[in-house]
Amino acid sequence: EIVMTQSPATLSVSPGERATLSCRASQSVSSNLAWYQQKPGQAPRLLIYGASTRATGIPARFSGSGSGTEFTLTISSLQSEDFAVYYCQQYNNWLLTFGGGTKVEIK
Amino acid sequence: QLQLQESGPGLVKPSETLSLTCTVSGGSISSSSYYWGWIRQPPGKGLEWIGSIYYSGSTYYNPSLKSRVTISVDTSKNQFSLKLSSVTAADTAVYYCACLPVAVAGTFFDYWGQGTLVTVSS
Repeated sequence: EIVMTQSPATLSVSPGERATLSCRASQSVSSNLAWYQQKPGQAPRLLIYGASTRATGIPARFSGSGSGTEFTLTISSLQSEDFAVYYCQQYNNWLLTFGGGTKVEIK
Repeated sequence: QLQLQESGPGLVKPSETLSLTCTVSGGSISSSSYYWGWIRQPPGKGLEWIGSIYYSGSTYYNPSLKSRVTISVDTSKNQFSLKLSSVTAADTAVYYCACLPVAVAGTFFDYWGQGTLVTVSS
């Protein structure tokens, strides 16, 4: 099983600032990495797939980068609606696994 | 746009079988473009993939749950279903259904249902 580790667990950021979230895989997943946003009481929403491709309707302030074992999700200028929990997920094989999540909270 | 909706009992007794159905609208479950899957999230915790199915019936399961899980598809009703046997309190979670674009190996979750809370308790 590929273990996904996200850091930090919690990120305190002021509105308008940049947020950088990290995700590490226990072995290479190439670019088979997705990011999701989850708000309280809601289902996760796909943000990024293929490590760097934004899903339909996702604002340009969200960007993904990385390959192999190290990945980053960057939110360039945090808006009020961006405070949420973010998960990464690898799909290099059919044992799909998620990271433990990063909570982005208002500083 | 695809829409998915989970349905089923919100309370299941220990040792019994949890059964949920996901109804797909806005598209056909027989599409060659998608897999269909289940994910769960215990209260206050992270996400766990349970398994996925193609319209032909081919399945992939999480090895940690494989011995207790059955996922099936009913193309006539545009639905797919989850059965999880011998449940315990550890199976209490919000259960989501989702669609996954077909890819070479594994894939990601494109559209999600709203989720349904299933509590295991006597």
